[in-house]
Amino acid sequence: DQQVKQNSPSLSVQEGRISILNCDYTNSMFDYFLWYKKYPAEGPTFLISISSIKDKNEDGRFTVFLNKSAKHLSLHIVPSQPGDSAVYFCAAIPGGGTSYGKLTFGQGTILTVHP
Amino acid sequence: KAGVTQTPRYLIKTRGQQVTLSCSPISGHRSVSWYQQTPGQGLQFLFEYFSETQRNKGNFPGRFSGRQFSNSRSEMNVSTLELGDSALYLCASSFMGAEAFFGQGTRLTVV
Repeated sequence: DQQVKQNSPSLSVQEGRISILNCDYTNSMFDYFLWYKKYPAEGPTFLISISSIKDKNEDGRFTVFLNKSAKHLSLHIVPSQPGDSAVYFCAAIPGGGTSYGKLTFGQGTILTVHP
Repeated sequence: KAGVTQTPRYLIKTRGQQVTLSCSPISGHRSVSWYQQTPGQGLQFLFEYFSETQRNKGNFPGRFSGRQFSNSRSEMNVSTLELGDSALYLCASSFMGAEAFFGQGTRLTVV
């Protein structure tokens, strides 16, 4: 049962344009969401997070949007740079506090930014 | 501030053997989680330790176990290795368990 889904296995964009990565979830108990970037044979790198009490969070070129009613979140990267090429994972944590540390990950989206 | 350190980086073991992987979290972080990454299953949660106690556990067989020491360092053990245990094993630490910071991983190959 895939509770966090990234339906696009890959995304290709031109340098300088916007990259939009999408993520859907089914478990209504999730209340904290994170995005990670990963290169092959390395550990994921934390990018940005959002709590369910917010609908938007920005950090530099990265913005995460959360639509709770649709159980959907997205990561916007503006402007996209070739160095952003990597696999992007969304992850979710259930509420309650005791489930911290237990991230449920999506399958990932391969982003390729062309110069 | 040093990041999460995992040792060893690479490991080759034979079926039936056991293996122990080590993780040193970021200083001050008390939560340590372990994940398995395989091409078919993606990133899957194994277990999480907080203050030396297992706080959460994923859906893995009992051959997978772990522990955490008083200095927050953690070890993960896999007994009776199977070919399907070949994977990248990732350790992550966090201050309170939300934003997790990952190590480089240990690539385990079972032959």
